[in-house]
Amino acid sequence: DGGITQSPKYLFRKEGQNVTLSCEQNLNHDAMYWYRQDPGQGLRLIYYSQIVNDFQKGDIAEGYSVSREKKESFPLTVTSAQKNPTAFYLCASSMQEGRRVYNEQFFGPGTRLTVL
Amino acid sequence: RKEVEQDPGPFNVPEGATVAFNCTYSNSASQSFFWYRQDCRKEPKLLMSVYSSGNEDGRFTAQLNRASQYISLLIRDSKLSDSATYLCVVNFQSGGYNKLIFGAGTRLAVHP
Repeated sequence: DGGITQSPKYLFRKEGQNVTLSCEQNLNHDAMYWYRQDPGQGLRLIYYSQIVNDFQKGDIAEGYSVSREKKESFPLTVTSAQKNPTAFYLCASSMQEGRRVYNEQFFGPGTRLTVL
Repeated sequence: RKEVEQDPGPFNVPEGATVAFNCTYSNSASQSFFWYRQDCRKEPKLLMSVYSSGNEDGRFTAQLNRASQYISLLIRDSKLSDSATYLCVVNFQSGGYNKLIFGAGTRLAVHP
């Protein structure tokens, strides 16, 4: 089945530790995104990538880093510099043809990160 | 002012009721509009796109008023399975990048 997978579903880390969240898709989508969701707020964009080996900061990139070495994979690292990392993290992807990115984004099941 | 604003609810309605959600957006350059559905502790999923002429998909009707920068979603004959949070989403293209801006969502609870 085609889709987006994120692992793990729940993650607990101690304050000051870096942690990497996995995102893999087999939809053959070029564009991938990372969002965080906090209670009572809309999804906020952290980073996005429209092509392998290229990515751009979103609205709240501070304290996060990403890589895009393969089309299928877009891991997100939450560093110790992120002041409030506890949140629900969602990865998404969308189709792209040339410079045109399709509107619909498909989401993975999310990773719920709790920093103790 | 938030870029996309929604009434957070919750809307508590009985089965069979008709319920309407509203959404306003601030960027007049916005080009595309959507409603996503998000179940508790799950990922958002596209419910329907919203077109200028209005569009319907079964029990769901979406409307767009560009002049007022207002979007609505109407659910007729509510089912228990409609209970979820409904996210209003606005898109615009910026430098070749397709940016989605999400509202915080309106929660719907349908009871027997």
